[in-house]
Amino acid sequence: NAGVTQTPKFQVLKTGQSMTLQCAQDMNHEYMSWYRQDPGMGLRLIHYSVGAGITDQGEVPNGYNVSRSTTEDFPLRLLSAAPSQTSVYFCASSYSGVGARNTEAFFGQGTRLTVV
Amino acid sequence: AQSVTQLDSQVPVFEEAPVELRCNYSSSVSVYLFWYVQYPNQGLQLLLKYLSGSTLVESINGFEAEFNKSQTSFHLRKPSVHISDTAEYFCAVSARGATNKLIFGTGTLLAVQP
Repeated sequence: NAGVTQTPKFQVLKTGQSMTLQCAQDMNHEYMSWYRQDPGMGLRLIHYSVGAGITDQGEVPNGYNVSRSTTEDFPLRLLSAAPSQTSVYFCASSYSGVGARNTEAFFGQGTRLTVV
Repeated sequence: AQSVTQLDSQVPVFEEAPVELRCNYSSSVSVYLFWYVQYPNQGLQLLLKYLSGSTLVESINGFEAEFNKSQTSFHLRKPSVHISDTAEYFCAVSARGATNKLIFGTGTLLAVQP
C-alpha cells in the first residue's frame, strides 16, 4: 500500500528557478490537494482538485500552478521560485462527493523546499 | 467560509498527566470536524473525526474529543499521556455537503516530559 507518494523529499532552489513537486496516489481518490506548512501558520491550502481535469485555487495560490490529467497524479509547479516559498509542502487525497462520509484525508510525507 | 482557532501553540505536560488541547471553529454551515497528528518529520495522520451522531468520539490510542455545537468547540483530551504522544496536533474543519476542502488550525505542539 503506497498511499500518497511525494517526490522529492528535499529540494534546494535558487531564486527564479522553476520546478515541479510530484504527488501520486494509488487509492483511486477523486479529491487531491496541496498544502504548505509554515511555523505558526498551520497548513494552508494552495490548490485542490475534485477530479481529473478539474482544479481550483485555495487560500494561497499565487506563484503555483497545478494540473490534473489523471486521477492518480497531481503535480505542483513553482514557476519562478522565491524565498517566500521556502516551506514544507504536503499533498493529500481523499474520497469525494457531496455528503461523502469517508472524508479522511491521506497525506504524503512532505517535500521540504528551500529557496535561496 | 470556515475557520479554526487553536489558541495554544504549545502545551507542556508531564507523563501520565491529563491534557486538553483546545479547538474552536467558525462556520455558517454544518461541518465535519477532525483532529490530525503529526509526529516529527512525518506527514499528518487522522486521529479522530466527528461526522454525525454521538458528540463524543474516540481514537484507538486513548484520545477523545467532544463536539459542542453551542460553544463551537471540538477539544481533544487524554486522561493520561505518554512520552510517545509528543507531536503536533491539528484541528480541521470541512463544510458538509461541499467538497472535501479542509481548513486547518495553526496547530498545538504537545510536549510530554518525563
